[in-house]
Amino acid sequence: EVQLVESGGGLVQPGESLRLSCEASGFTFTNHWMHWVRQAPGKGLVWVSHIDGDGIATNYAGSVKGRFTMSRDNAKNTLYLQMDSLRVEDTAVYYCAKEAGSLEVWGQGAMVTVSS
Amino acid sequence: QAGLTQPPSVSSDLRQTATLTCIGDSNTVGNQGAAWLQQHQGHPPKLLSYRNNNRPSGISERFSASRSGNTASLTITGLQPEDEADYYCSAWDSSLSGWVFGGGTKLTVL
Repeated sequence: EVQLVESGGGLVQPGESLRLSCEASGFTFTNHWMHWVRQAPGKGLVWVSHIDGDGIATNYAGSVKGRFTMSRDNAKNTLYLQMDSLRVEDTAVYYCAKEAGSLEVWGQGAMVTVSS
Repeated sequence: QAGLTQPPSVSSDLRQTATLTCIGDSNTVGNQGAAWLQQHQGHPPKLLSYRNNNRPSGISERFSASRSGNTASLTITGLQPEDEADYYCSAWDSSLSGWVFGGGTKLTVL
């Protein structure tokens, strides 16, 4: 069974950092691009970033570019999202998702709250 | 901000048919088609269809998708109470090199 399990969410103050992890199982991790998508409370889905299977190519939404860094450790089947200089508007549930022609499988999400 | 346009809400009667729409452009829906996701309150999104009308294993045939130009549609037949949820369309945006989503449609089953 394909599974994605996020961890690392929490409450931080504006300007602080947080790192999310997403542990994958049930598929060949290196064969797939992976994505982070977030959803602010009561709002819709917003794509955040993606990374290719080798971990070489990445791309980011304009709202997080320069502040967030996506990476992966294929030996550990784990995806990461390093979030720096966090803002109140980054408050959301962050989902990791496996791509196979579309965002095929989603994790259960990790809540990130940025508040003073 | 949403890159695709969806109506905020749609309602239809139990056991009837509902059609949800999603408007994109030539860089999104008109390029590689759209995918549809279902999300129940408090749960992660679940893929219903991709590349217009391919259903993942386990998804009911009551869900069917189509595309005409830059507009994608999801038709749900034989509506059931459990179909009441938020539905999102998504598409790869070739100009952004990233995924874009609609703002979501809340489906109410009367």
